[in-house]
Amino acid sequence: DTEVTQTPKHLVMGMTNKKSLKCEQHMGHRAMYWYKQKAKKPPELMFVYSYEKLSINESVPSRFSPECPNSSLLNLHLHALQPEDSALYLCASRLGGGLGNEQFFGPGTRLTVL
Amino acid sequence: GESVGLHLPTLSVQEGDNSIINCAYSNSASDYFIWYKQESGKGPQFIIDIRSNMDKRQGQRVTVLLNKTVKHLSLQIAATQPGDSAVYFCAENEAGGATNKLIFGTGTLLAVQP
Repeated sequence: DTEVTQTPKHLVMGMTNKKSLKCEQHMGHRAMYWYKQKAKKPPELMFVYSYEKLSINESVPSRFSPECPNSSLLNLHLHALQPEDSALYLCASRLGGGLGNEQFFGPGTRLTVL
Repeated sequence: GESVGLHLPTLSVQEGDNSIINCAYSNSASDYFIWYKQESGKGPQFIIDIRSNMDKRQGQRVTVLLNKTVKHLSLQIAATQPGDSAVYFCAENEAGGATNKLIFGTGTLLAVQP
């Protein structure tokens, strides 16, 4: 298995809802990432997990809560989002360790907040 | 913080021609660079990478050139095909640490005319 999968593909939620995005990889990668991408913009890093521990939080609002239950799974819990949070949310994974190991991206979850 | 930028937001080429996509980076300490291709509705797909101790690397129909003197990166695509139409992002690795934090450029839309 050489891919990163993300579910759901699309998600529409109201500002009072609680939802979760899921990311999975079975490549033995030990670093996992969440990115947010607005239309016609580059991906922006949100969180990095390294060996299942949160290593980078790019000052993301607390209404986004990441979780890494094990080395293959990464979740992003959403609560009380705002319409401006509508975007494509990308998950990526990387083998970890030294330089030269590229990040592999999933297809993303298209989130719309009403 | 440091940023990676592109000179041309849109590049239109004829099928069969060679394409050159450029990227300027500002962090002279960056030690690893990647080009990603992102098709509409999909996540970024790895194309080719290069370490800072190299100035050229070739793949299948693609070549990446790195000029550290002027902090410039380019992606050359030979015999461009309609399937090459996508947004191309350069990304630089923020030197240091094991989490491989990537900073993405603004992106170039490559439009291949049949």
